[in-house]
Amino acid sequence: DAKTTQPTSMDCAEGRAANLPCNHSTISGNEYVYWYRQIHSQGPQYIIHGLKNNETNEMASLIITEDRKSSTLILPHATLRDTAVYYCIVRVEGSSGSARQLTFGSGTQLTVLP
Amino acid sequence: NAGVTQTPKFRILKIGQSMTLQCTQDMNHNYMYWYRQDPGMGLKLIYYSVGAGITDKGEVPNGYNVSRSTTEDFPLRLELAAPSQTSVYFCASSFPPNNYGYTFGSGTRLTVV
Repeated sequence: DAKTTQPTSMDCAEGRAANLPCNHSTISGNEYVYWYRQIHSQGPQYIIHGLKNNETNEMASLIITEDRKSSTLILPHATLRDTAVYYCIVRVEGSSGSARQLTFGSGTQLTVLP
Repeated sequence: NAGVTQTPKFRILKIGQSMTLQCTQDMNHNYMYWYRQDPGMGLKLIYYSVGAGITDKGEVPNGYNVSRSTTEDFPLRLELAAPSQTSVYFCASSFPPNNYGYTFGSGTRLTVV
C-alpha cells in the first residue's frame, strides 16, 4: 500500500471548516483513499473514501487532486465533538492479498477550539 | 444490532499470566481483525481472519494466538503476559470487498505489571 503523510496536529475554530491534508505521492491507479477518525479511547470510525472523484457524505467531503498524489478531508462546520485523530489510508479494494488488511499510520490530531 | 462487542473493557495482568480477550460480532461479517494501539501511536494489526477456521498473522503477532471456530467469535489469547503487551486492543470486522465497512469494538485496555 502507498504510504501517506499527514500533519501531526491541527487546530480549528468551532463552526469553521476543518481542512485536513494528506499526501500520498506513490499512490497506484487502483488504490483508494480512505479516511477514518478515532475519538479519544474509542475504536476508529469510517468517514469517507474515494478513488479519483470528489466525494461527499453526511459527515465530510473528500477532495482528491487530479494527479491523485494528495487529498483533503473537509469537515464543513467543525464541532467540539469532531476533536479526534484523523487517519488517511491508501489501499486497494478487494478481498485478497493486501486488501485483507487496513494499515493505520499516526494520523492528524484535530482539536476543535470553542 | 450490537455490532462488535469486546470484553473485558479493562484488565490488569501480572507478568507471566494468561488471558483471553473476547470479541464477538452479530453482523455476519466474515473478516475479523485484532489491532493493538500503544499510547500516542496508530493501530497495528496483530492477527486477522477471513472466515471460520482461517487465521493469518498481521504486523505484530508475537506473543499472541487466535482462533476462529465460528463466524461470530474471534478471541485473542495472551499466553505469557509481558509489560510490552500493555496496550489498548481493538477488534474489528468487515465484509469485503468494501473496506469502508470496518466496524470496530470499543476496545480492551490491558495493563501488564
